[in-house]
Amino acid sequence: AQTVTQSQPEMSVQEAETVTLSCTYDTSESDYYLFWYKQPPSRQMILVIRQEAYKQQNATENRFSVNFQKAAKSFSLKISDSQLGDAAMYFCAYRSDVTSGSRLTFGEGTQLTVNP
Amino acid sequence: DAGVTQSPTHLIKTRGQQVTLRCSPKSGHDTVSWYQQALGQGPQFIFQYYEEEERQRGNFPDRFSGHQFPNYSSELNVNALLLGDSALYLCASSFLSGRARGSEQYFGPGTRLTVT
Repeated sequence: AQTVTQSQPEMSVQEAETVTLSCTYDTSESDYYLFWYKQPPSRQMILVIRQEAYKQQNATENRFSVNFQKAAKSFSLKISDSQLGDAAMYFCAYRSDVTSGSRLTFGEGTQLTVNP
Repeated sequence: DAGVTQSPTHLIKTRGQQVTLRCSPKSGHDTVSWYQQALGQGPQFIFQYYEEEERQRGNFPDRFSGHQFPNYSSELNVNALLLGDSALYLCASSFLSGRARGSEQYFGPGTRLTVT
């Protein structure tokens, strides 16, 4: 079974600074997707960024970028120019349509605090 | 364009009772997935419905059942409630329509269930 591990229960960053959230996963599949979701206090789960495993280029969405290391099974999220609105719980998630029918497997989450 | 909606927002039930949670998918989506998120943890996959049938199921007992209607909306039913069923229940919708790979999953705001 696939597993996703987030080893940082809490992280903090100063406004306008850069922070990196870590995620590792375990799978025997070669075709899969990785995601970072943001869950603010409103509880709505919001997709931040996605990465297809077959793509070597790291995904980027504005201030958010990932460092995808397939061999190491590592998938970290970098937030640049942090803003107060970035404060939330961040979840790393895995999906393999081939074996698990598009279900998402989530990590335990990292609570990000942004200090003014 | 309405996103994923869930009802009710929150509810309180007593041990042994039964509960029904409802989800309306995003316009154009045909697949609904349900997740349970215990306090301080990542969401856990319960099951997924497509074409009014359960397509995938996670490691949850038979007390958890669901249904999908012709308009793609879905219900999650939990019988014989236990204290441990207290959690945030998230619904996510996506578009499959016979393709091998589903689209991104969009989440609703969740239903907070408290069992006393």
